[in-house]
Amino acid sequence: GESVGLHLPTLSVQEGDNSIINCAYSNSASDYFIWYKQESGKGPQFIIDIRSNMDKRQGQRVTVLLNKTVKHLSLQIAATQPGDSAVYFCAELHTGNQFYFGTGTSLTVIP
Amino acid sequence: SQTIHQWPATLVQPVGSPLSLECTVEGTSNPNLYWYRQAAGRGLQLLFYSVGIGQISSEVPQNLSASRPQDRQFILSSKKLLLSDSGFYLCAWSSGSAPLYGYTFGSGTRLTVV
Repeated sequence: GESVGLHLPTLSVQEGDNSIINCAYSNSASDYFIWYKQESGKGPQFIIDIRSNMDKRQGQRVTVLLNKTVKHLSLQIAATQPGDSAVYFCAELHTGNQFYFGTGTSLTVIP
Repeated sequence: SQTIHQWPATLVQPVGSPLSLECTVEGTSNPNLYWYRQAAGRGLQLLFYSVGIGQISSEVPQNLSASRPQDRQFILSSKKLLLSDSGFYLCAWSSGSAPLYGYTFGSGTRLTVV
């Protein structure tokens, strides 16, 4: 869609602070969501997922929150570290087993 | 375990030259395969996807084409590259039956057209 041509939104946080990355999804029928992390020069990698029958899921230092009412997904990273600097994408599963990716957010951790 | 291989990692090609990027998947059968392009500092753009041998769906009209000659092989091609074809190309696969854990991406190819 049009968003792929836009520059990525950016977020800068101090090392040790918590980061919150937001994503608005488009399809109210989407029932599965994933957050990906893409480090510079590499392919995106799976971080955490959540199904639509949940509103929160926790991993190691990461938490995903899902608000179906407003079609909003967020990724919270606790105690952000320099290694967390990357681009983060949300993805929603549409019908036909195809994922649609959000624009992405570039996170920079300031030492 | 499943792995995905994509090569080359970097490529510098002159305008008007042909292109062939290859992607192979191991450890699974009948995967869904995808080619994405990512311009510098921008999001992921789906170019092609395939649900089986010889089955290619194109998402955007462009100077590129894709082929799937074998179940676990996906090739991205161009007969004549344009400057605007420069970018980071990513191959990905997912289970054809249930896309749990989403797509697994390759390591990408950085293409610079000069």
